[in-house]
Amino acid sequence: ETGVTQTPRHLVMGMTNKKSLKCEQHLGHNAMYWYKQSAKKPLELMFVYNFKEQTENNSVPSRFSPECPNSSHLFLHLHTLQPEDSALYLCASSQDPDSSFGELFFGEGSRLTVL
Amino acid sequence: GNSVTQMEGPVTLSEEAFLTINCTYTATGYPSLFWYVQYPGEGLQLLLKATKADDKGSNKGFEATYRKETTSFHLEKGSVQVSDSAVYFCALSEAGGTSYGKLTFGQGTILTVHP
Repeated sequence: ETGVTQTPRHLVMGMTNKKSLKCEQHLGHNAMYWYKQSAKKPLELMFVYNFKEQTENNSVPSRFSPECPNSSHLFLHLHTLQPEDSALYLCASSQDPDSSFGELFFGEGSRLTVL
Repeated sequence: GNSVTQMEGPVTLSEEAFLTINCTYTATGYPSLFWYVQYPGEGLQLLLKATKADDKGSNKGFEATYRKETTSFHLEKGSVQVSDSAVYFCALSEAGGTSYGKLTFGQGTILTVHP
């Protein structure tokens, strides 16, 4: 299996829907991340989890709700999103934020379109 | 706060041409610097990195040197191939503590190489 797997790869949802993005890493890493990639903007860090504990919430609106049940799985629950939330959502993992020297391993992303 | 500025793209080159993608940064302290590459339809992957001033990172024929005096980390390759067509991201990681995994990215530079 590939290192970091994200599902679904594509998602279209209305503003009143509730959906979830899933990320699974098979690398034995302890830290997981959600990034948002919008057109013509730098990647934005959303959340960081280290050993299942959230260590960073980068002022993300509450309509995005992360969940990390264990070090291998990370979810992003979505509800009442806005069209401007349409983007590519990238999951990443690293061995440990203290020692990885920034080497993140990314999934292929989930392309979200909010109608 | 930290920031990374990359040259505007897209960059279009012929095969075997010389490539330079400029990257400058603003940071407190002594960050680690990275180049990530995103091939079409894939997630980001680490291309090369440098963790202290005057270090040179290299991989797959690409090179970048950490220049503290000019706060730069320009990416170069002597002879590009069609397979190098991708989006290139410069990034920095805050120094110290649990910040290594929290990368600040530039906006990305699209490179297209024609045969």
